[in-house]
Amino acid sequence: DGGITQSPKYLFRKEGQNVTLSCEQNLNHDAMYWYRQDPGQGLRLIYYSQIVNDFQKGDIAEGYSVSREKKESFPLTVTSAQKNPTAFYLCASSIGGRGRAFFGQGTRLTVV
Amino acid sequence: EDKVVQSPLSLVVHEGDTVTLNCSYEVTNFRSLLWYKQEKKAPTFLFMLTSSGIEKKSGRLSSILDKKELFSILNITATQTGDSAVYLCPFYNQGGKLIFGQGTELSVKP
Repeated sequence: DGGITQSPKYLFRKEGQNVTLSCEQNLNHDAMYWYRQDPGQGLRLIYYSQIVNDFQKGDIAEGYSVSREKKESFPLTVTSAQKNPTAFYLCASSIGGRGRAFFGQGTRLTVV
Repeated sequence: EDKVVQSPLSLVVHEGDTVTLNCSYEVTNFRSLLWYKQEKKAPTFLFMLTSSGIEKKSGRLSSILDKKELFSILNITATQTGDSAVYLCPFYNQGGKLIFGQGTELSVKP
């Protein structure tokens, strides 16, 4: 089945540690996106990528980093510089940044 | 800065009511918009609209886009408790950025 997979579903992190969230798609989509969602709020864009080896900052990129070494993969690293990382993270992909966006099931990150 | 404003932010109705959710866009170069339903997990796709004035319909849900005024509405007729969710209407700008607003939280009471 084609789709987009995020892992893990739940993640706990100690303060001061970096952590990497995985996002893999087999839809042959060029564009991939990372969003953060806090309770009662919409989705805020962290980073997006339209092509391999290139990505752009979204509205809340501080404290996060990404890479796009392969078309299928767009991992997000939450660094210790992110002051309030506890949130629900969603990854999405689409064809050429214009078609229907497909979402992963999300990763719920909790800092303990 | 490109953005979408959704209204109302929250809405409470009773089963059987008809609701209209609104999205207003501020964007330099508009490409297309999407409607999603989110129930405490990943958003579920409803519609994609690229052309002005053409209604998309799926069962009790329908949506239309006014490209000139940069406005879209989602209508839900004969609402059911299962329609309770957050509704999102993101859009793509010319750079391929997919931009979300705050969402409209719909609560349908029995």
